[in-house]
Amino acid sequence: AQKVTQAQTEISVVEKEDVTLDCVYETRDTTYYLFWYKQPPSGELVFLIRRNSFDEQNEISGRYSWNFQKSTSSFNFTITASQVVDSAVYFCALSEVSSNTGKLIFGQGTTLQVKP
Amino acid sequence: GAVVSQHPSWVICKSGTSVKIECRSLDFQATTMFWYRQFPKQSLMLMATSNEGSKATYEQGVEKDKFLINHASLTLSTLTVTSAHPEDSSFYICSARLISNTGELFFGEGSRLTVL
Repeated sequence: AQKVTQAQTEISVVEKEDVTLDCVYETRDTTYYLFWYKQPPSGELVFLIRRNSFDEQNEISGRYSWNFQKSTSSFNFTITASQVVDSAVYFCALSEVSSNTGKLIFGQGTTLQVKP
Repeated sequence: GAVVSQHPSWVICKSGTSVKIECRSLDFQATTMFWYRQFPKQSLMLMATSNEGSKATYEQGVEKDKFLINHASLTLSTLTVTSAHPEDSSFYICSARLISNTGELFFGEGSRLTVL
């Protein structure tokens, strides 16, 4: 069965620190998508990234970077030089292509607090 | 990116009444939409998969007679919480999948339901 685990419930850092949010997933499928979403206090989900299981290249987008390692079933997310506006709940999610349902399985979420 | 709109954004109702939440894909067609529920400080849990022109597929433990889902067109799915009770108070979020099934999902802004 598919599962997404975000072991870090809450993380608190001081502005300008780097922070890594961990995500470990389980799936029997060979083809799947992994996602990261940001949920600010207002509640809407903000899409950050989607990664295909065949693409293990790490990705960098501004202060954000993602490290996808199939060998350890991990898809970690790093924020460099964190800012107060980064404070939010971050969700990692998995979607299995073979089931053809498109539904997302979410991790428990990590609450990030960036203090000034 | 594609836009998914939910209405209403928030609603307060009395116990025993029914509430309808709409999810619309504004600039694309979606054969499949998903309804998630999120309790405070918890993750998003899939309630059901809404398929255009057919019955919704409910996740285990979700009462289909209480949470009525209708997907009458390629751009609209509705969730009706019937005979709402305080324990139904939650944040309900819909997402829609592009008809091309590229794995891309787009989320609505969410609807916060408070049952008094």
